Amino acid sequence: SAVISQKPSRDICQRGTSLTIQCQVDSQVTMMFWYRQQPGQSLTLIATANQGSEATYESGFVIDKFPISRPNLTFSTLTVSNMSPEDSSIYLCSVRQTGGEIAEAFFGQGTRLTVV
Amino acid sequence: SQQGEEDPQALSIQEGENATMNCSYKTSINNLQWYRQNSGRGLVHLILIRSNEREKHSGRLRVTLDTSKKSSSLLITASRAADTASYFCATAPTGGFKTIFGAGTRLFVKA
Repeated sequence: SAVISQKPSRDICQRGTSLTIQCQVDSQVTMMFWYRQQPGQSLTLIATANQGSEATYESGFVIDKFPISRPNLTFSTLTVSNMSPEDSSIYLCSVRQTGGEIAEAFFGQGTRLTVV
Repeated sequence: SQQGEEDPQALSIQEGENATMNCSYKTSINNLQWYRQNSGRGLVHLILIRSNEREKHSGRLRVTLDTSKKSSSLLITASRAADTASYFCATAPTGGFKTIFGAGTRLFVKA
């Protein structure tokens, strides 16, 4: 299993500003994932963050809007840039153990972002 | 959703009744998982079923998987008010490491 800490847990931000969300894992993991959950909706994968390489973004998400860092095997950040009210969502960090049997994904508690 | 649909979108039952939620997905998978989320909080992993398994039990949970129909169901027996939450299926597509989520079912169990 993996324990994931996300910071901040919530924030209220002005439109046009940027927010960086931090994700810390208690063990080394190869792949980390960032999800967005809009109000009342399911989770949508934003990107996969690999250590030592650029993140891989899903359709509809771009690096300029959601830059991601992955400086080591236990830490990642997601920045939500030039925010608008439509970016109000819960953002979740996730990891999966890889190698051998593929197991379940583990999630942080999420960052609840409100853009005003 | 990125992967598939779940039905019903919302379900309201009395305590003690059984709740059944269904999930459909689009691609071939390595495994399928079910998660619970309380009030927009983080996700709690409930159960994982591999693509070569057809049924799995964990406590009051029973999961079935039909890979020919690309569908799964989650049954919660003898429901409790504390089971009130959103339930999501999630798949690990074959050859990949992503976890892709279904649309989710909101379950409300009335005491």
